Amino acid sequence: EVQLVESGGGLVQPGGSLRLSCAASGFTFSSYWMHWVRQAPGKGLVWVSRINSDGSSTSYADSVKGRFTISRDNAKNTLYLQMNSLRAEDTAVYYCARASTAIRSRPFDYWGQGTLVTVSS
Amino acid sequence: DIQMTQSPSSLSASVGDRVTITCRASQSLSSYLNWYQQKPGKAPNLLIYVASSLQSGVPSRFSGSGSGTDFTLTISSLQPEDFASYYCQQSYSTPWTFGQGTKVEIK
Repeated sequence: EVQLVESGGGLVQPGGSLRLSCAASGFTFSSYWMHWVRQAPGKGLVWVSRINSDGSSTSYADSVKGRFTISRDNAKNTLYLQMNSLRAEDTAVYYCARASTAIRSRPFDYWGQGTLVTVSS
Repeated sequence: DIQMTQSPSSLSASVGDRVTITCRASQSLSSYLNWYQQKPGKAPNLLIYVASSLQSGVPSRFSGSGSGTDFTLTISSLQPEDFASYYCQQSYSTPWTFGQGTKVEIK
């Protein structure tokens, strides 16, 4: 069974840092692109970042570029999101999601349960 | 960036109704369009990929159509468990973008 379990969320002050983790199981983690998607309270889904299967290529939404860093440890089957210089507008539930390799549109076929990040003084 | 516009933003419908949600892209996506369902407090769930293919395990009352810039999600006969929010998403180019969502509520 495919499972994605996020952790690391919490309350942080503006300007602070946080590292999110996403532990993967039930599939060959090293074969899949992975994404982070966030959702502010009561709002819609917003794509944040993506990493390819071996970690050699990444991309970011403009809103987080230069502040967030996506990475992965394929030996530990874990995806990370390092978030620095956090702002109030970064407050959201953060989901990790797997991108299908079997479908050319690469939809997000599995999602974690999400972890809440609250940026407030 | 490709902008995705869904309509309506919300709708009220009864069990058994046929429901249609539309999604328009600011540029052609070919068929690189996916649909997700999200229930309150839960993660999104993939329903439809490449515009019209049904994800495994998703009931056949859900269907998708369209290509280019205009796409549609249809629920042929609304069931109680379908009351949720629905999002389209383009995976044609980075950054991946979502529509603003459509909330389907009970009439």
